[in-house]
Amino acid sequence: DAGVIQSPRHEVTEMGQEVTLRCKPISGHDYLFWYRQTMMRGLELLIYFNNNVPIDDSGMPEDRFSAKMPNASFSTLKIQPSEPRDSAVYFCASSWRGPATEAFFGQGTRLTVV
Amino acid sequence: KNEVEQSPQNLTAQEGEFITINCSYSVGISALHWLQQHPGGGIVSLFMLSSGKKKHGRLIATINIQEKHSSLHITASHPRDSAVYICAALYHTPGGAQKLVFGQGTRLTINP
Repeated sequence: DAGVIQSPRHEVTEMGQEVTLRCKPISGHDYLFWYRQTMMRGLELLIYFNNNVPIDDSGMPEDRFSAKMPNASFSTLKIQPSEPRDSAVYFCASSWRGPATEAFFGQGTRLTVV
Repeated sequence: KNEVEQSPQNLTAQEGEFITINCSYSVGISALHWLQQHPGGGIVSLFMLSSGKKKHGRLIATINIQEKHSSLHITASHPRDSAVYICAALYHTPGGAQKLVFGQGTRLTINP
């Protein structure tokens, strides 16, 4: 397996634009996580899914953020409209059996909103 | 409030030294993770533990549930161990979900 695949690796966009980040988890993993990392706040869990169903989205910062998992092999994190303070590295991770088990991380998407 | 504190924030040592990174959490947890983030940004899960000790190569992780404290040790440190080490505590929310809360990370630099 190629591991968790995220795209794009880098994204630069203007304030107010819609941004969509994509993630393909490891095949067979039932859990998918979206994280955000900034210098100020470190790593934060935004949302996680179990079998394509969102389980906990309490980390999603505001309504501008939304995440979907239409099937077991694909998830998106969308920001609309984007703001400069959304600039961060966004990681996707997947695991076999939830937050208490080892997670495998993608390489991250570095988002810059100007 | 669920908090995770790591110390030190930065650590520089010479190759071969024994390294200890500490992690304290505020309330009861169900598990604790140690992650390693390489200078290139990639994140690797090192350990997940809920009690006792785990060992993988030169890395050892321990947890003391009563003291709400975990340590990550590196024996015979090497420059390739230079990375940011992050602990994350797994809490159960009132709604029944599981929530990971991350420490701020410890930046380790091993000089040759």
